[in-house]
Amino acid sequence: DAKTTQPTSMDCAEGRAANLPCNHSTISGNEYVYWYRQIHSQGPQYIIHGLKNNETNEMASLIITEDRKSSTLILPHATLRDTAVYYCIVSSGSARQLTFGSGTQLTVLP
Amino acid sequence: DTEVTQTPKHLVMGMTNKKSLKCEQHMGHRAMYWYKQKAKKPPELMFVYSYEKLSINESVPSRFSPECPNSSLLNLHLHALQPEDSALYLCASSQVDMGWVAGNTIYFGEGSWLTVV
Repeated sequence: DAKTTQPTSMDCAEGRAANLPCNHSTISGNEYVYWYRQIHSQGPQYIIHGLKNNETNEMASLIITEDRKSSTLILPHATLRDTAVYYCIVSSGSARQLTFGSGTQLTVLP
Repeated sequence: DTEVTQTPKHLVMGMTNKKSLKCEQHMGHRAMYWYKQKAKKPPELMFVYSYEKLSINESVPSRFSPECPNSSLLNLHLHALQPEDSALYLCASSQVDMGWVAGNTIYFGEGSWLTVV
């Protein structure tokens, strides 16, 4: 599975959109982009995933660039409860697991 | 419903004790996973079960013994652990083995916090 690069930490004001970037320049054609988050002391929570097209659900939007070398997770109206570590994972499933990197610590400020 | 339930939430055990962590899902998922997470580190895979058979063991020491009694349950039996085994143990499940269907999604439980004294 391709490696991902994420900023170590980011801040966002409450009520504003949080845009979390992820670089995956070595992604191959059959690899999906997954986003999970982990609130302190809890298990990772699935947010969204996509292959080529942009995706949206009730939690977030995923924007994948046309060349698929990077993506952005958008939380449209961040709340204090969105403070968490956000993991971007690229996987085709061939490794038969999801391999977590270091993630981005998002802190939503009041 | 995407719920994976783990018990107990917290466990303190001595190095000579035998204890078990339990995991349950009722989503009809046929792949189940144990991950281990040390403080301030990302989760790391320990075991994968596919259709109740152990399919991946990431060279985990034998003091950790997984068991999948049926398609809904996954246990992790613990014996003669060391203090460095103290961690958050995460159970997860997916509809089928990640390698079978592209774009499969893994759902995690809240984890069991284990402290070995």
